[in-house]
Amino acid sequence: AQSVTQLGSHVSVSEGALVLLRCNYSSSVPPYLFWYVQYPNQGLQLLLKYTTGATLVKGINGFEAEFKKSETSFHLTKPSAHMSDAAEYFCAVRNTGFQKLVFGTGTRLLVSP
Amino acid sequence: EPEVTQTPSHQVTQMGQEVILRCVPISNHLYFYWYRQILGQKVEFLVSFYNNEISEKSEIFDDQFSVERPDGSNFTLKIRSTKLEDSAMYFCASGAERDEKLFFGSGTQLSVL
Repeated sequence: AQSVTQLGSHVSVSEGALVLLRCNYSSSVPPYLFWYVQYPNQGLQLLLKYTTGATLVKGINGFEAEFKKSETSFHLTKPSAHMSDAAEYFCAVRNTGFQKLVFGTGTRLLVSP
Repeated sequence: EPEVTQTPSHQVTQMGQEVILRCVPISNHLYFYWYRQILGQKVEFLVSFYNNEISEKSEIFDDQFSVERPDGSNFTLKIRSTKLEDSAMYFCASGAERDEKLFFGSGTQLSVL
C-alpha cells in the first residue's frame, strides 16, 4: 500500500531563508505525488503535483518540488520564505487507477521576522 | 476562483445521534470526495463518488456512513449513529476530471459528546 512520511511536524525558518519540507513516499508503482497547503480556517489548496515527465515541478507561490525515484523523495522547497508562507503543508500520494489520496501527517511551517 | 462550500463549519452532537454534513461542490465537477482529519492525525480518505455511486471507499467508511447527491448541487455525508471517535474535521472535495486536481472545502469540525 502506498504511504508518505513527512519528517518534522514543525519547521521554523526566518523570513528570506530557504524552506525545505521533506517527504518520502512508499509505493509499489510509479505514483502521483502532491503537495497541499492549509492556511488557518481554510481548506487544503494544491501547491503542485507530479504525475509523469519532468521531475522538477514548479507550483504556486514560488514553491517547487523534485521527484527523486532513487531516493523515493518529493521534497518541497522555496528559495526565500515569506511571512505569508506560514501554514500547514501536506504531502500526498495517489496510485494510478485509484482515486484516493493518501496524506502524510503534515508539517507546520513557522516563519519568523 | 470557484470554491467548495461546506456547512456547518462546526457541529456538536450527542453520541448516538445522526448527523448530516453538507457540501456544495464546484458546479461543473463530476468527482466528489470526503476526507477527515482527527485532531493530531493524518488526513484520511473516506469515500469517492462518481456518476451517482460510490467508486471507492476506505475501511473507515462502514455501514454507519452514507453519501448522497440529492439534487445535483449538494453532496452530503451522513453518519447514522455517531460515536465519540467520529469527532474530526471533515473535508469535502471535488474534481472536474478523475486525475485532475482536487478542490477542498474549509471543513466541518464535528464534535461528538
